[in-house]
Formats: sequence, C-alpha cells, structure tokens
Amino acid sequence: DSGVTQTPKHLITATGQRVTLRCSPRSGDLSVYWYQQSLDQGLQFLIQYYNGEERAKGNILERFSAQQFPDLHSELNLSSLELGDSALYFCASSVNAASYEQYFGPGTRLTVT
Amino acid sequence: QKEVEQDPGPLSVPEGAIVSLNCTYSNSAFQYFMWYRQYSRKGPELLMYTYSSGNKEDGRFTAQVDKSSKYISLFIRDSQPSDSATYLCAMSLDNYGQNFVFGPGTRLSVLP
Repeated sequence: DSGVTQTPKHLITATGQRVTLRCSPRSGDLSVYWYQQSLDQGLQFLIQYYNGEERAKGNILERFSAQQFPDLHSELNLSSLELGDSALYFCASSVNAASYEQYFGPGTRLTVT
Repeated sequence: QKEVEQDPGPLSVPEGAIVSLNCTYSNSAFQYFMWYRQYSRKGPELLMYTYSSGNKEDGRFTAQVDKSSKYISLFIRDSQPSDSATYLCAMSLDNYGQNFVFGPGTRLSVLP
C-alpha cells in the first residue's frame, strides 16, 4: 500500500457529463501529480500541484482542470466527457516539488458510454 | 515513432527463468531512467532508478542502460509467479517526476 488514496475506484458516466476524481497524498507529501493511462497512449502526465499551487502542466485537455486544497488533497475535474476519455486516472504524490520518487495511488477507472 | 517503445507482450516464462525486459527510445538527451512494476488493478510502483549509462543491481533485479544504442533493459533472475505484472520503463532529461516519459509497458506472466 503506497499510502495514496483515490476515490472512487470505478466511475461509469455518459458522454457530455462532468465528473470529479479525488486524491489524498501520503502523509507528509506536498506534491500531487495526475496521470492518465490508456491502452494506446500509456501513462501520460496531466498536471502537478505543489502545496496548493499549480507546478507543472502536461498533456491536459482544456476540458480538464484540477486543484489542490489546503489539506493537500487534490481533485481532478473532467467535463464534457467524450468516449476517448475512458481510461485509468492515477494520482501520485512526492515529498517535494522536484522528485523522481513518486508514490502512485490505486487509480480510478473511468468509463464513458 | 513514439518517444519510448516497449514490446507489449504478453511474455510468458516458467518459474525460475531469467527475464529480460527492454525499452528503446529516440531522445538521446535522456539521462534518468526508471522501471516501474504495475500489478493488475494497482498503481505503478518504482522498482529501479538509474542515472546515465551502466548497470544497477537490487536483489534479483538488474537495470542496464546503453545510451549509445538508446536501449535499456531490466533483468529479473529466478523469476517468481509474484513477478507477474506489467513493467513500465520511464525516462527523462532531468530528475523531475513530471518530466518522465513512460513506455506503454510489457505484460509478464511467470508460470509456476
């Protein structure tokens, strides 16, 4: 167990809808990363937050947004969902802003129908 | 051509075999290399981390980097059924977690 928690485990929703994925980092970790994993694209970095502030942006669509709250948990919001957004979404955390050593959560499996 | 390539497998081996997992990459500037193990329905976990070329050993696992060939390998000795998982390679120009580029993963099955 990495110490990173994610909810929900599974999410099934329809095209055009909006969902929120939640992540709690390991105790003491200030940095949270979001990744998308699909069969054809592999693991893709979306966005990173450090101590409440956006730190780095990857291949995140404009329909997606995230935030990190004062208690350091993070939420990833996905809107106007499309079939192609179906994927596993992982959250990872690390102690500081620039660490290769990330601890991944168990993921949220999103299915858009 | 994708930046990082891996044979997706599945690769099936008998228990006790030596396993070789490989990645090729196109960006010669990559300096930092990692291997992750991902069990079914779980998140990736870091197995090995290496900088630049050479070998690194940790128990039954050996990571090898050949920058001249843009090729990295993970060897697993005395493979066990518990090693059955998907193995992801990742690499970066720098040490920052958000900059690592992941391969698609190779699915390994170790048969008892």
